[in-house]
Amino acid sequence: DTEVTQTPKHLVMGMTNKKSLKCEQHMGHRAMYWYKQKAKKPPELMFVYSYEKLSINESVPSRFSPECPNSSLLNLHLHALQPEDSALYLCASSQVGTVSGANVLTFGAGSRLTVL
Amino acid sequence: RKEVEQDPGPFNVPEGATVAFNCTYSNSASQSFFWYRQDCRKEPKLLMSVYSSGNEDGRFTAQLNRASQYISLLIRDSKLSDSATYLCVVNIPQVTGTASKLTFGTGTRLQVTL
Repeated sequence: DTEVTQTPKHLVMGMTNKKSLKCEQHMGHRAMYWYKQKAKKPPELMFVYSYEKLSINESVPSRFSPECPNSSLLNLHLHALQPEDSALYLCASSQVGTVSGANVLTFGAGSRLTVL
Repeated sequence: RKEVEQDPGPFNVPEGATVAFNCTYSNSASQSFFWYRQDCRKEPKLLMSVYSSGNEDGRFTAQLNRASQYISLLIRDSKLSDSATYLCVVNIPQVTGTASKLTFGTGTRLQVTL
């Protein structure tokens, strides 16, 4: 059983659609991350939330809009995407600071997105 | 220079072989280092953290060389089930009280054969 749950597992959308990816964790982690992974490439950091505040945005286009409603939930809102945005979107969480386990990422199984 | 670099691979080795992967990082402020394993079409999973003194977990040994800014992973007695992509991860500290930027290397594909 994964401790980070992502929905949906698969999503197909047109370039004019608006959709959202959701992520939930109940490990008490106070950092949550969105990564994008294309085939045969490593995960690429998009956003980081620390204590429910956006702390890192890796110059991601505004058609991707993250949201952290509370310490357990992380959303990624998608609008006007391009076919090249098709990828596996991975959510992860971790502890923050110097506590034991800080910086250890626990990943969800990912949401595989196809943009037509 | 990329923040985290790895041998591109692929590494094709017979069962029972010993194989080593290296990873270099560019930010001397990095303090946390990890090896993750990723199977095809699955999410990355933590294999082991890497500590200054080096650490071992069964057939796996990780080493850190801060002076040269590289980490290594040694797999002894390779099994078919070790076939996967191995990713090194390095933290880049941010403002105090916020999460680090955790950056992945390019990954090295390992294929263990009979």
